[in-house]
Amino acid sequence: KQEVTQIPAALSVPEGENLVLNCSFTDSAIYNLQWFRQDPGKGLTSLLLIQSSQREQTSGRLNASLDKSSGRSTLYIAASQPGDSATYLCALLSGNTPLVFGKGTRLSVIA
Amino acid sequence: DGGITQSPKYLFRKEGQNVTLSCEQNLNHDAMYWYRQDPGQGLRLIYYSQIVNDFQKGDIAEGYSVSREKKESFPLTVTSAQKNPTAFYLCASSIAGRGANVLTFGAGSRLTVL
Repeated sequence: KQEVTQIPAALSVPEGENLVLNCSFTDSAIYNLQWFRQDPGKGLTSLLLIQSSQREQTSGRLNASLDKSSGRSTLYIAASQPGDSATYLCALLSGNTPLVFGKGTRLSVIA
Repeated sequence: DGGITQSPKYLFRKEGQNVTLSCEQNLNHDAMYWYRQDPGQGLRLIYYSQIVNDFQKGDIAEGYSVSREKKESFPLTVTSAQKNPTAFYLCASSIAGRGANVLTFGAGSRLTVL
């Protein structure tokens, strides 16, 4: 069964710093991996989707990478801003089951 | 605008009562999902449906029931058999099939048992 782990569980950084969020998974036979953002008490917003054949995807200040052989994905946020404060979740599609989610990393960017 | 509508946003229930959470989408998506979110637990799958009149249990289906009579609608009933129903419930939808399954989420429904 696919297991997804996100480390750290929480992270606090000063505004302007570049940062990396980590996601690891146990089964490398995946179809795709997604990164989501969740604001407190809200639904999830998809940020980036990486197909299994891709190595990375970029959107603005966000860059997500995928290394299936090592079972890892990273979300890089450049020049962080207070508006980036949220919980970031990764989720994987594999096998015949719907998305499996990690528990998320709660990010606080301090002005 | 296309999207997913969940209602109600907040719901209070007395112990022993069944409640139904609504989820409607106008994205023409074939697949719909219900997730439960608890603090520190991430999202856990309750039920999902890939086609009308068919649905499958997820990891934590006990105490819940669903129906999929229309493509646009996937209501979730939290029954009195669910021992700890207080949680944040999220509905999502996607196109069916593999490869480009981007999930669209609703804004969520927060259920509190009094």
